[in-house]
Amino acid sequence: EVQLVQSGAEVKQPGESLKISCKGFGYDFTNYWIGWARQRPGKGLEWMGIIFPSDSDIRYRPSFQGQVTFSADKSISTAYLQWNTLKASDTATYYCATNYCSRISCYSLQAFDIWGQGTVVTVSS
Amino acid sequence: SYVLTQPPSVSVAPGQTAKITCAGNNLANKRVNWYLQKPGQAPLLVVYDDRDRPSGIPERFSGSKSGNTATLSVSRAEAGDEADYYCQVWDNDSGHVIFGGGTKVTVL
Repeated sequence: EVQLVQSGAEVKQPGESLKISCKGFGYDFTNYWIGWARQRPGKGLEWMGIIFPSDSDIRYRPSFQGQVTFSADKSISTAYLQWNTLKASDTATYYCATNYCSRISCYSLQAFDIWGQGTVVTVSS
Repeated sequence: SYVLTQPPSVSVAPGQTAKITCAGNNLANKRVNWYLQKPGQAPLLVVYDDRDRPSGIPERFSGSKSGNTATLSVSRAEAGDEADYYCQVWDNDSGHVIFGGGTKVTVL
């Protein structure tokens, strides 16, 4: 079964660092984009950017440039989202997604058909 | 940067058709994808490449596009269709993936 499995919930204090993960199963993880999205409590989805695991081509959306770091380890089919200094405003659920064509045609590869279950990050003193 | 504009909310009576729009510059030349998201769940792709449905998505969900406005239609609306709906494109000029701000659909 094709799926993305994310790491578990985290509770951190402001100023701490954090790295959450997204592991792909059942498909060629290396050759499809992984995207990250943030959803603050009660708010809409905010797209953070994408990474191509094969060559680590990374594209951050402007609001997130310099605020987070994407990375990927091809050898274990895992992508990461990292913060060096957490703030209370980083409290949110974070989702990863891939444009692998599981239930859809592989023609354009512009849609994100597979999503992780989400990782809840709470930053509070 | 590229922007997709959606209405914040749409209301529909049970059994009627909800129409959610998504507008963007030069959208006619981009492939539009649609997602629904229910509270506490990850987004679910319901229409891709303007009008195609992933396997397992009911025919009640359909996509269309006219000029620079795309529309997701949900026919025979039912309470279970209440969700936030997002449109998305891949802006080839910038290489970025762009999402609309989302539309909350309420079935009255």
